[in-house]
Amino acid sequence: QVQLVQSGAEMKKAGDSLTISCQTSGYTFSTHYIHWVRQAPGQRLEWVGVIHPSFSTTTTYAQKWQDRVAFTKDTSTNTVYLDLIKLTSDDSGTYFCARDQGVYSRTWDYWGPGTLVTVSS
Amino acid sequence: SSELTQDPAVSATLGQTVRITCQGDSLGSHFATWYLQKSGQAPMLVFSGRNNRPSGVSDRISGSSSGNTATLTISGVEAEDEADYYCNSWDSSGNHVVFGGGTRLTVL
Repeated sequence: QVQLVQSGAEMKKAGDSLTISCQTSGYTFSTHYIHWVRQAPGQRLEWVGVIHPSFSTTTTYAQKWQDRVAFTKDTSTNTVYLDLIKLTSDDSGTYFCARDQGVYSRTWDYWGPGTLVTVSS
Repeated sequence: SSELTQDPAVSATLGQTVRITCQGDSLGSHFATWYLQKSGQAPMLVFSGRNNRPSGVSDRISGSSSGNTATLTISGVEAEDEADYYCNSWDSSGNHVVFGGGTRLTVL
């Protein structure tokens, strides 16, 4: 069955960098986009961006994040990574990865459980 | 504007029909996709496109669209329906995803 397993909670200080992972299984890794979504405490879902884990990696980032975020992938472990630099307390929240059901769509059929990130100032 | 507007909260008694709306300019051109999120859990896809409901999602959930407003309808509300409901769509570039603010459904 399809599974997305995310790395554990992170506690960081302002100015630090962050890397969280999303390891996928149960389907062909290279055929589905993976989206990242952030949810600040008590707030709405926010789209961070998307990566296509193909040989020609394609990434698109939301404008709010594009100067500080990067997505990468490891095809040997079917894992995608989110890297975020220059952390501030505003970056705190839960980060979810989600599998795109289609071809760069808004229909995401499987989600990871989320990674809680806490940034202290 | 790329924004999507949802009512922050709605309540319903058991067995009622509840409608959760999502308004935004982009919805005149694109169908909304809907997710529910229960407390402390990841979101879950419940409706997309013109009429697509994933297997395993209750057939009491349906979606519709008119003009710039998308509506998620839950018929015969049950206690398990209590959750936050989010819509999403494309922004004005057509390449980035935007979410509504979410609607918290409370079942009385």
